[in-house]
Amino acid sequence: RKEVEQDPGPFNVPEGATVAFNCTYSNSASQSFFWYRQDCRKEPKLLMSVYSSGNEDGRFTAQLNRASQYISLLIRDSKLSDSATYLCVVNMEGSGGGADGLTFGKGTHLIIQP
Amino acid sequence: EADIYQTPRYLVIGTGKKITLECSQTMGHDKMYWYQQDPGMELHLIHYSYGVNSTEKGDLSSESTVSRIRTEHFPLTLESARPSHTSQYLCASSRTGFTEAFFGQGTRLTVV
Repeated sequence: RKEVEQDPGPFNVPEGATVAFNCTYSNSASQSFFWYRQDCRKEPKLLMSVYSSGNEDGRFTAQLNRASQYISLLIRDSKLSDSATYLCVVNMEGSGGGADGLTFGKGTHLIIQP
Repeated sequence: EADIYQTPRYLVIGTGKKITLECSQTMGHDKMYWYQQDPGMELHLIHYSYGVNSTEKGDLSSESTVSRIRTEHFPLTLESARPSHTSQYLCASSRTGFTEAFFGQGTRLTVV
């Protein structure tokens, strides 16, 4: 079983719609969680950290569900510029799982259509 | 903007050549990483370091080697490049602890 799993998509969504995707993680000792955005042929960039209480940044909302071991990302009023791959990242440093600490999902490909 | 830099950005080189990909960060981060990524595919960790004189192999077997003599510098070397090494190489760094990583812009390597 993969340590961090995401639906690869692609998710084809009309502009202005709301879209949400989840990411599940296998290590219950995971300590921190992030969503990254990666544009085609570019480096991943931090979109937002995911806190236990959930957090919101403009049109983006991230949630953590420790009991079910998943994190989610919700994008409201989607824009054409939101088209990208969204990477779920889990940090398990100190937990014995994954010596490198950071574990990346394969990413969810999002396409916003006009 | 993250202060992590990779050079060169693009490199086309012949089979059998020795190459070194440079990565430097000015954030004082202890942890540094090298990832390999083919177009449209997932990131694969090939090397990481917890600090000076620390280097470890990642999840994906790689013929490359790394060194960490200074905190800010984490170069990756291929002794004899092959066409199978054609890929994008991404360097990243993070503070120790449960923190996010910052990426350089990557080096796109083509071996002909």
